[in-house]
Amino acid sequence: DTGVSQDPRHKITKRGQNVTFRCDPISEHNRLYWYRQTLGQGPEFLTYFQNEAQLEKSRLLSDRFSAERPKGSFSTLEIQRTEQGDSAMYLCASSLEAGEGDYEQYFGPGTRLTVT
Amino acid sequence: GQNIDQPTEMTATEGAIVQINCTYQTSGFNGLFWYQQHAGEAPTFLSYNVLDGLEEKGRFSSFLSRSKGYSYLLLKELQMKDSASYLCAVRDQDYQLIWGAGTKLIIKP
Repeated sequence: DTGVSQDPRHKITKRGQNVTFRCDPISEHNRLYWYRQTLGQGPEFLTYFQNEAQLEKSRLLSDRFSAERPKGSFSTLEIQRTEQGDSAMYLCASSLEAGEGDYEQYFGPGTRLTVT
Repeated sequence: GQNIDQPTEMTATEGAIVQINCTYQTSGFNGLFWYQQHAGEAPTFLSYNVLDGLEEKGRFSSFLSRSKGYSYLLLKELQMKDSASYLCAVRDQDYQLIWGAGTKLIIKP
């Protein structure tokens, strides 16, 4: 397995448009996370899935954001009616977690979104 | 609220040693991670501490004191390629990662 992949790597869109990003995790990993990162900041948690179930979504996350993970494999993150403040790097990470332990998260290369 | 503090930026000399500190206040504690992130790239895992003490891995070591809510990452024999941001992240009681803003490390020849 070559690791976590994300598509597209870059997206430029006009304000008000909808965008969708895709993440393919490491195949045997059961957890998948979405983060947003802006320059000079650490990753900001958006949501995560355990298999196909979305277990948690950030309380700070706008209703314009939605994520799915059908069949517990790849995931999509959709942003509706984009705003300039949505411009950021969107990171996907996956991990194999079955309880306590040092389950590191493996990150994909990210999708850089620019809203003009 | 939950909070993780790291210095914003540090500068060190090639071949030297640098210590990057991290203090945290979180709802519960289930381990502390250090990640390295080069500019424009995704974070990559460096180390994990869940018990007090020092974990050594090659040129990198990480220390944890749970009673003090404190960790540090020690980088020895610095190389130019170590120029990057170093992110401290704590796994809270819900097993969610809370991230610091990162410390930008600049290595000078």
